[in-house]
Amino acid sequence: AQSVAQPEDQVNVAEGNPLTVKCTYSVSGNPYLFWYVQYPNRGLQFLLKYITGDNLVKGSYGFEAEFNKSQTSFHLKKPSALVSDSALYFCAVRDMGSNYQLIWGAGTKLIIKP
Amino acid sequence: DAGVIQSPRHEVTEMGQEVTLRCKPISGHNSLFWYRQTMMRGLELLIYFNNNVPIDDSGMPEDRFSAKMPNASFSTLKIQPSEPRDSAVYFCASSFVSNQPQHFGDGTRLSIL
Repeated sequence: AQSVAQPEDQVNVAEGNPLTVKCTYSVSGNPYLFWYVQYPNRGLQFLLKYITGDNLVKGSYGFEAEFNKSQTSFHLKKPSALVSDSALYFCAVRDMGSNYQLIWGAGTKLIIKP
Repeated sequence: DAGVIQSPRHEVTEMGQEVTLRCKPISGHNSLFWYRQTMMRGLELLIYFNNNVPIDDSGMPEDRFSAKMPNASFSTLKIQPSEPRDSAVYFCASSFVSNQPQHFGDGTRLSIL
């Protein structure tokens, strides 16, 4: 069965430190992977996607994600965290039997402390 | 450019009442999605429209839920009659084509008393 896992409910990072939000997936074939961010009382915002090509994908707000096929992971990273990065982060993978359906992770709450 | 616009932002109503949620997608987007977000179940796709036609409504929980898209710039999600377990945040999202990133509205927070 296809699935996405975000193993951490919450990640705490000090401002200025690097951050990583983890995502692993299970799909057949080559995955289409996405990261979205949700700020309080707002809708989800697209951050970045991986479809093919370079394993390191750069996105909005200084975020990047590394696709690792052997580990079936797509971790979100940022070299230096800002307090304003505090939000809920969702990883998603395209359902390989569909051209529109996304399989969503449960979300990881990122807290950046000053 | 305006993003996806949803109304109302908050709705509180009593059990048994009809609820109508509205969505205006981004102009030029041909794909529209309705989602429900709860703490227990996360983000669930309710229905997907392509070029105003419902393609997949398998996520609609019950016959009490219905959705329409009469034209490219407007969609509604209706619950009749509403029940307390329908309380959730409902999101509308649109994309240029179905496999492109989705743009979400800010949602409607629905509370059924």
